[in-house]
Order: sequence, then structure tokens, then C-alpha cells
Amino acid sequence: KAGVTQTPRYLIKTRGQQVTLSCSPISGHRSVSWYQQTPGQGLQFLFEYFSETQRNKGNFPGRFSGRQFSNSRSEMNVSTLELGDSALYLCASSLEQGSLKTQYFGPGTRLLVL
Amino acid sequence: GDSVTQMEGPVTLSEEAFLTINCTYTATGYPSLFWYVQYPGEGLQLLLKATKADDKGSNKGFEATYRKETTSFHLEKGSVQVSDSAVYFCALVNTNAGKSTFGDGTTLTVKP
Repeated sequence: KAGVTQTPRYLIKTRGQQVTLSCSPISGHRSVSWYQQTPGQGLQFLFEYFSETQRNKGNFPGRFSGRQFSNSRSEMNVSTLELGDSALYLCASSLEQGSLKTQYFGPGTRLLVL
Repeated sequence: GDSVTQMEGPVTLSEEAFLTINCTYTATGYPSLFWYVQYPGEGLQLLLKATKADDKGSNKGFEATYRKETTSFHLEKGSVQVSDSAVYFCALVNTNAGKSTFGDGTTLTVKP
């Protein structure tokens, strides 16, 4: 099976712009989660989508949003970019078997905000 | 809330040395526990997992045992290689939770 794919892999934007990142989960996985990874804050949970609905949300401002499509592909959007949004954004898809939820991560999108 | 504490790094070892990276957790309920590895410029790769007390996860020579009494999930490897140099993350997922809670990561460097 193909793994989780994320596009683009690298992105450079300027302050005030907006950006959209894409994630395609492993075939058959219906849950997609997004994380932000920075040297200072580590890995922080953004949100999770399951069957096109946001199921969980982390503590990020409303500038961060996401959605999931009927084929489970997901996008996240960041509006009005700030310098502090520079980070590696990781997407993870999950296979849920009863109470066990195993997440598989994509390679990430590295965003640099200038 | 849930939390994961990993031993601070960086950790530097010589090839063939024994590795231990400590991980303890705080969680309500009965979480599943994971170790992930991240190589430079890449995402996280699942290394091993355990879902209940006394379960031992193992992969590529790495092992970790779910210890409920000490709320720990320490990562061990008997003989490390240069290719094991990476950042290692301990994580938990709580039942019905939509997210993983990660430790801060431990950077391992193995020298020939």
C-alpha cells in the first residue's frame, strides 16, 4: 500500500499570505490528523477529521482550518500567515481497530514564512 | 490532560553500545503507547507499539515494554548502529482520543 502523501513538500510564503496544504491518507484510512512541528514547541496537534467531519481540535487560532473530502483526502489552510507559522506540518492517517488507533505519518510539508 | 516525558538528549553512543531512552506518561484511562523515529528531513515513522500492560513492542532490534505500574515505556536496543542516528519520539493515544500526545523527542547520535 502507498503511504501517506503530502504536497507540496516545501513552501515559501510571505507574511499575510495564505497557504493550503494537502494530504492523501493510506487507502482505507478514514481518519486524518494534522500536527505542527517546530523546534521550540515540538509536535502540536492541530485537528482531526473523520468521514468529512472535524472530530477533534487543538489549541490553535482560527487562522488554521481544515477540511476532508469524501475520498478521505484532507487539506489544511492557514490564512494571514505569521513568521511563527514557519514549521513542518505533518499529516497522519489512522486505522482504527476497536480502541487501538495507530497513526501513520506523511513526510510533511515544510513551510517557511518570510 | 495527557502528557509524555522523555529523557533529555542529545544522546551520543558508540556503535554496538546499549541504548535506553526513558519515557514515562500521564494519562487517564488506558492509552496505547508508541515509539516513532524521525530521520533528518523526513516525517515520523512508526517504530513499535504496545496496547496493554506488559505488552512488548519490538521492531528492527528495538524493544519497549508497557509498564502500567510505573507508567513507563522505555525504548531499548542491545547494539546500536550508525544508521540508528535519528530523533526518537514516545507517544500515547488515549481511547476515543483523536490525537497522539508526544514527548519532546530524544536525539540519538551513534558514532563509528
